[in-house]
Amino acid sequence: EVQLVESGGGLVQPGRSLRLSCAASGFTFDDYGMHWVRQAPGRGLEWVSGITWNSGNIGYADSVKGRFTISRDNAKNSLYLQMNSLGAEDTALYYCAKLGGGYCSGGPCYFDYWGQGTLVTVSS
Amino acid sequence: QSALTQPASVSGSPGQSITISCTGTSSDVGSYNLVSWYQHHPGRAPKLMIYEVNKRPSGVSNRFSGSKSGYTASLTISGLQTEDEANYYCCSYAGATTLVFGGGTKLTVL
Repeated sequence: EVQLVESGGGLVQPGRSLRLSCAASGFTFDDYGMHWVRQAPGRGLEWVSGITWNSGNIGYADSVKGRFTISRDNAKNSLYLQMNSLGAEDTALYYCAKLGGGYCSGGPCYFDYWGQGTLVTVSS
Repeated sequence: QSALTQPASVSGSPGQSITISCTGTSSDVGSYNLVSWYQHHPGRAPKLMIYEVNKRPSGVSNRFSGSKSGYTASLTISGLQTEDEANYYCCSYAGATTLVFGGGTKLTVL
């Protein structure tokens, strides 16, 4: 059974940093691209960042580019999101999502499994 | 990276059919047949309903179908059921390992 378990969320002051983690199990982690998607309170889903199976290609939403860094450790079956210079606009439930394949361009570009999310609240 | 455009809400009666549109640009929907649709009930993880424009994952009812024409993708739900009431999001590949979601559509089954 595929499981994605996010952790690392919490209350953080504006301007500070936070690192999210996603522990994956039930599939061959290093065969698949992984992404982060967030949902701010009362808002829709927003794609945040994605990384290919071998970390060879990485993408970010304009809203987080330069502040967030995605990474993965295939030996630990884990995905990470380092979030710096956090602002109130980053307050959201952050989901870890598994891609249907190793990468999007020309490959399966959809999320077939999602975690339950970890809540990040940026407030003083 | 502008969000894809979806209607904020749609509604229908049990047994009816509804269609949700998702309009993008030449940078996303118009360039790739990599549009997916997700059903999202509050408090639960989103669920994949359609991928690659019109393909249905195993276990998803054939009442759900997808299509695309130009810059607009569509999700059609036929034979509406009360359990279909949820928020629906489209998503498209936008090149260079980036994706974009639609703003979401709240489906109400009257």
